[in-house]
Amino acid sequence: QVELQQSGPGLVKPSQTLSLTCGISGDSVSAISGSWNWLRQSPSRGLEWLGKTYFRSKWYSDYALSLKSRITVSADTSKNHVSLQLSSVTPEDTAVYYCARVVRFGGTGLVTVDTFDLWGQGTMVTVSS
Amino acid sequence: DIQMTQSPSSLFASVGDRVTITCWSSQSISTYLNWYQQKPGEAPKLLIFAASGLPSGVPSRFLGTGSGTNFALTITSLQPEDFATYFCQQGFITPPWTFGQGTKVEI
Repeated sequence: QVELQQSGPGLVKPSQTLSLTCGISGDSVSAISGSWNWLRQSPSRGLEWLGKTYFRSKWYSDYALSLKSRITVSADTSKNHVSLQLSSVTPEDTAVYYCARVVRFGGTGLVTVDTFDLWGQGTMVTVSS
Repeated sequence: DIQMTQSPSSLFASVGDRVTITCWSSQSISTYLNWYQQKPGEAPKLLIFAASGLPSGVPSRFLGTGSGTNFALTITSLQPEDFATYFCQQGFITPPWTFGQGTKVEI
């Protein structure tokens, strides 16, 4: 059974860097069948995809354009976890942050679509001094 | 980015009711559409993939339909454990993956 366990501080000061970790059990962060993603959820922004990392002979990352200058998503194969770093945070970055696995689902007569099939428990992060 | 819009934002229903939630995309996404259920304090859970596919373990009372820009999630007979918030998500042009704003199903 695959599980994602998030860890990291729930309070970050403005202008500092938000850092969260997502520990993976039951799967490998280097698995070529999926990608490891970070999302956040707030009343004002709803569910927002932030970025991902994935391994296909080498490591790749993709980020939401609005965050590209501030975000890093990376993998640590020795610890089998994925990390999120978001720099220069403001109160607008206050949200529940989730890590999630994306894999492709399909079936007879159906398209094959990327789905968020597994989620971490979520971490409420407040940006405040 | 593809915008996803859901209607209604909330609804009141009773156990046994047939409930339908709709989702529109700002451009055609074929059937690259997923639905998720989220209960308070929990992460979203995959409910429907590819507009009408049912993942293993999801009850058959959840029915997904639609293609192009118009989609619907129907709960054929609402159960007590179905009171939650439901989100649609497009997987046609990514990144980014984009979500609807959610529909809260309340008693």
